[in-house]
Amino acid sequence: GQNIDQPTEMTATEGAIVQINCTYQTSGFNGLFWYQQHAGEAPTFLSYNVLDGLEEKGRFSSFLSRSKGYSYLLLKELQMKDSASYLCAVKDSNYQLIWGAGTKLIIKP
Amino acid sequence: GAVVSQHPSWVICKSGTSVKIECRSLDFQATTMFWYRQFPKQSLMLMATSNEGSKATYEQGVEKDKFLINHASLTLSTLTVTSAHPEDSSFYICSARDGEVTQYFGPGTRLLVL
Repeated sequence: GQNIDQPTEMTATEGAIVQINCTYQTSGFNGLFWYQQHAGEAPTFLSYNVLDGLEEKGRFSSFLSRSKGYSYLLLKELQMKDSASYLCAVKDSNYQLIWGAGTKLIIKP
Repeated sequence: GAVVSQHPSWVICKSGTSVKIECRSLDFQATTMFWYRQFPKQSLMLMATSNEGSKATYEQGVEKDKFLINHASLTLSTLTVTSAHPEDSSFYICSARDGEVTQYFGPGTRLLVL
């Protein structure tokens, strides 16, 4: 079957750095996405990785290793507004998005 | 970036009535749109994939006669919840895909069936 694993919840301190991991087993691979979802709101697109390596976008970076079926989202200089759920999703061989359950990130002052 | 709108954002209705939710891609053409449902503190659940001009593809366990999807144009898809019941109360979110890559989400519609 197809599976996306990410931690259920993480806690970090304002100003610090946090890394949210995602591992996947899917039938084929056509890219990995990270979305941010604040409570009560719809997800917003953060990043897309299809080749191995690190993609940096401001305070957020996303890394992919296809051989290991692994990705992480790195958030630097954490702000209180970064408290949200972070969803990892993989596009499989049929171009279907397979969603992880999300990681709830709690930022403490 | 790509913008997707949804209307209405909130709807409260009586049990047995039908509710229509619209999803529009505002600044791009979306050949494919997706409808999701999300219950509190749970992950997104894909309900159906909608392709412009053809019938929607429903996920297993989703009743196509209850959740009617119409994708009449490259910028508009509608979801109609027919004969809604309290258990249909949920957060319904649409998304639209630009080409083959990224899905952009609408702001969601909260449905409360009394």
